[in-house]
Amino acid sequence: NAGVTQTPKFQVLKTGQSMTLQCAQDMNHNSMYWYRQDPGMGLRLIYYSASEGTTDKGEVPNGYNVSRLNKREFSLRLESAAPSQTSVYFCASSEMEDQPQHFGDGTRLSIL
Amino acid sequence: DQQVKQNSPSLSVQEGRISILNCDYTNSMFDYFLWYKKYPAEGPTFLISISSIKDKNEDGRFTVFLNKSAKHLSLHIVPSQPGDSAVYFCAASLLTGNQFYFGTGTSLTVIP
Repeated sequence: NAGVTQTPKFQVLKTGQSMTLQCAQDMNHNSMYWYRQDPGMGLRLIYYSASEGTTDKGEVPNGYNVSRLNKREFSLRLESAAPSQTSVYFCASSEMEDQPQHFGDGTRLSIL
Repeated sequence: DQQVKQNSPSLSVQEGRISILNCDYTNSMFDYFLWYKKYPAEGPTFLISISSIKDKNEDGRFTVFLNKSAKHLSLHIVPSQPGDSAVYFCAASLLTGNQFYFGTGTSLTVIP
């Protein structure tokens, strides 16, 4: 039972490069989320998808795009990476929007 | 502006004693609260939750207390064990909402 799987686990990019972070869940959850965690900031919501076919902005959406490819997969894209996007990115899923979320193990992204 | 605050970045407790982790929030409309536990290089895992219709919820060694008038919640761990050493995040949302707001985390160390 994998739960929430994120790929890659680590990535180093140069400023201006693009990248897609992948997330897949095998729990048949309806809702999926992308967070970033920065020192002293806790987890901040970037985008979420309440159900297949819908996406909405969270607290810090600028510089990111998302795609809810199907019920299982929710990807996060950085079109033109900036050093300020250096962070640990977590994907999460929940059965419904107001339920506790299950998290992946994170993607550590460094942008030089 | 941080709507959920954990003012203690770290806490050390002797094994067998009580650990008390605190969390304050500013939005009086929040009515659903959760605690997550996070080990290094892993994603957060859900620990316990409480809704505003209760002032206490208990699950084994973990108890969450909610004081709505003070906009304060706390997590009690009794007795503390070395395996409880982790970062603990509180989170809050509207019961009908679709976003959780996370605190900055408290790193708990349980000393054997």
